Amino acid sequence: QVQLQESGPGLVKPSQTLSLTCTVSGGSISSGSYYWSWIRQPAGKGLEWIGRIYTSGSTNYNPSLKSRVTISVDTSKNQFSLKLSSVTAADTAVYYCARFVIAAAVGEYYFDYWGQGTLVTVSS
Amino acid sequence: DIVMTQTPLSSPVTLGQPASISCRSSQSLVHSDGNTYLSWLQQRPGQPPRLLIYKISNRFSGVPDRFSGSGAGTDFTLKISRVEAEDVGVYYCTQATQFPWTFGQGTKVEIK
Repeated sequence: QVQLQESGPGLVKPSQTLSLTCTVSGGSISSGSYYWSWIRQPAGKGLEWIGRIYTSGSTNYNPSLKSRVTISVDTSKNQFSLKLSSVTAADTAVYYCARFVIAAAVGEYYFDYWGQGTLVTVSS
Repeated sequence: DIVMTQTPLSSPVTLGQPASISCRSSQSLVHSDGNTYLSWLQQRPGQPPRLLIYKISNRFSGVPDRFSGSGAGTDFTLKISRVEAEDVGVYYCTQATQFPWTFGQGTKVEIK
């Protein structure tokens, strides 16, 4: 059973960089056809996709955040990470990491496993 | 960006009765490969989202058969045939046909 766990500071000061790591257990981050994604959810609001990375290092980001986002992968640690720069109070949210299945041969694309989420508050 | 619009935003339902959630996309979700990458997620209170349905109508592993999905093009529906107490939560439709991937605003299912 694949499990994902987010970790990182719960409090970040405005204008600083938010840094989170997602540790994958129960399977290799390099195996199979998956994208590894970050999604966030402000309190009481809906979900916003931040970006994704393939184990090759190829990335795609939401244009609304692209100038501030970097997602990277460390296959030796079975982890992938998120950095969001120049944060403001609007970046306060629960941040989720999730696995996205790519099964092109059968036309299946979907998020199957999610981490529990970690609350990041931007405040001085 | 493709905008996903869900209705209703809140759905009070009697236990054992059906519930239906609509999701409309601002553009067709048919991918160039011919598939439609529309999924439904359930988020119980205090929990992360959980996949229920993928590619319009395919139930994910372990999902009860009281959940079903249908639709095509820009109009999609999630149905719960008989609502149980454990179905309380917020339901989201999401598309992975076009970047950026987007989500509906969520529909809260609660027991009357």
